[in-house]
Amino acid sequence: NAGVTQTPKFQVLKTGQSMTLQCAQDMNHNSMYWYRQDPGMGLRLIYYSASEGTTDKGEVPNGYNVSRLNKREFSLRLESAAPSQTSVYFCASSENSYEQYFGPGTRLTVT
Amino acid sequence: SQKIEQNSEALNIQEGKTATLTCNYTNYSPAYLQWYRQDPGRGPVFLLLIRENEKEKRKERLKVTFDTTLKQSLFHITASQPADSATYLCALPVSGGSYIPTFGRGTSLIVHP
Repeated sequence: NAGVTQTPKFQVLKTGQSMTLQCAQDMNHNSMYWYRQDPGMGLRLIYYSASEGTTDKGEVPNGYNVSRLNKREFSLRLESAAPSQTSVYFCASSENSYEQYFGPGTRLTVT
Repeated sequence: SQKIEQNSEALNIQEGKTATLTCNYTNYSPAYLQWYRQDPGRGPVFLLLIRENEKEKRKERLKVTFDTTLKQSLFHITASQPADSATYLCALPVSGGSYIPTFGRGTSLIVHP
């Protein structure tokens, strides 16, 4: 039982490049989330998916897109990366609206 | 807008003492409040949830209080150990239409042997 897994662990992009961050959970949770964490800013919600087939914007959605591929997988795409998107990205899942299980994070640097 | 405040200064305490961390919030009255632990380089880990009709909740050496009048939650770790050193985040929903919690910026706890 791996919980929440994220790939890649580290990534360096040049401005304007695109990439997709992958997230998968094996707990059969309905809800999944993408957060970014920056020094001094805390965790901020980018997008979430309350259930398979639905996605909604969070606090900071600009510059990102998401896909809920199936119940297990929720991906985050940066179409044209910008230095302001340098951050640590966390995926999380939850069965109810309360306890969230987080992945290990992806450290992204955009130069 | 809703604001969640946690002390940005690290809390340094001696092993064996009780650590007390504070989470204050404004405006909205949340239905629940959560506490998470985050170690460097890792994702947050859920610790405790307390609901608005609960004054106190305990789990092993952890105790959380929730004062909806003061709009404050206190998080206590009794008999603290160096292994308790981490950043502790509080999280709560910030609007009536959302069930998803918003996270505070966290307080770093350092327990000295």
